[in-house]
Amino acid sequence: AQSVTQPDIHITVSEGASLELRCNYSYGATPYLFWYVQSPGQGLQLLLKYFSGDTLVQGIKGFEAEFKRSQSSFNLRKPSVHWSDAAEYFCAVGADSGNTPLVFGKGTRLSVIA
Amino acid sequence: NAGVTQTPKFRVLKTGQSMTLLCAQDMNHEYMYWYRQDPGMGLRLIHYSVGEGTTAKGEVPDGYNVSRLKKQNFLLGLESAAPSQTSVYFCASSLSGGVLYNEQFFGPGTRLTVL
Repeated sequence: AQSVTQPDIHITVSEGASLELRCNYSYGATPYLFWYVQSPGQGLQLLLKYFSGDTLVQGIKGFEAEFKRSQSSFNLRKPSVHWSDAAEYFCAVGADSGNTPLVFGKGTRLSVIA
Repeated sequence: NAGVTQTPKFRVLKTGQSMTLLCAQDMNHEYMYWYRQDPGMGLRLIHYSVGEGTTAKGEVPDGYNVSRLKKQNFLLGLESAAPSQTSVYFCASSLSGGVLYNEQFFGPGTRLTVL
């Protein structure tokens, strides 16, 4: 079965600084990888996903993520953080068999300071 | 399109009471899911459904029942609520394609408190 770890529970960055949120997965075959964002009091929204092809994927709101099979990682990045990016971010992994639901990480809460 | 909607948004129950949470989607999605979200625990899957009339257990199914009588609706029931079921509940849906790794669309959540 697949699993996912988000090592950072809470990260604080200054507005305008760069951001990297870490995601490590465990799955023996080809993973399907996702990043979701949850603004306070809201449901989750998809930021980006990786199924195959180019290992650097672009998402909404200026986010990108890079799939590194050798490191079993799918880290989320943004070059310049805005105050509105303060939210909780979830990484998720799906199995290529397609017969098990997505597994979500425990999330990383991002705070943005002036 | 309204997307995924959840009813009610908030609810307070006493221990032992029962209730049903309703999830509705208008995207003609085959798959639907119920999650609970607790601080430090992330999202945990309670039950899911791969089509009308079908349900399956997720990671934390105990104390909950579900039904999918209509394709667009997925109901989550608590027969005898316990304080441990205090949580925020999210419903989600996804296209089929025969696989469970497609993008999920989430509702706004239901905040449930059990006293």
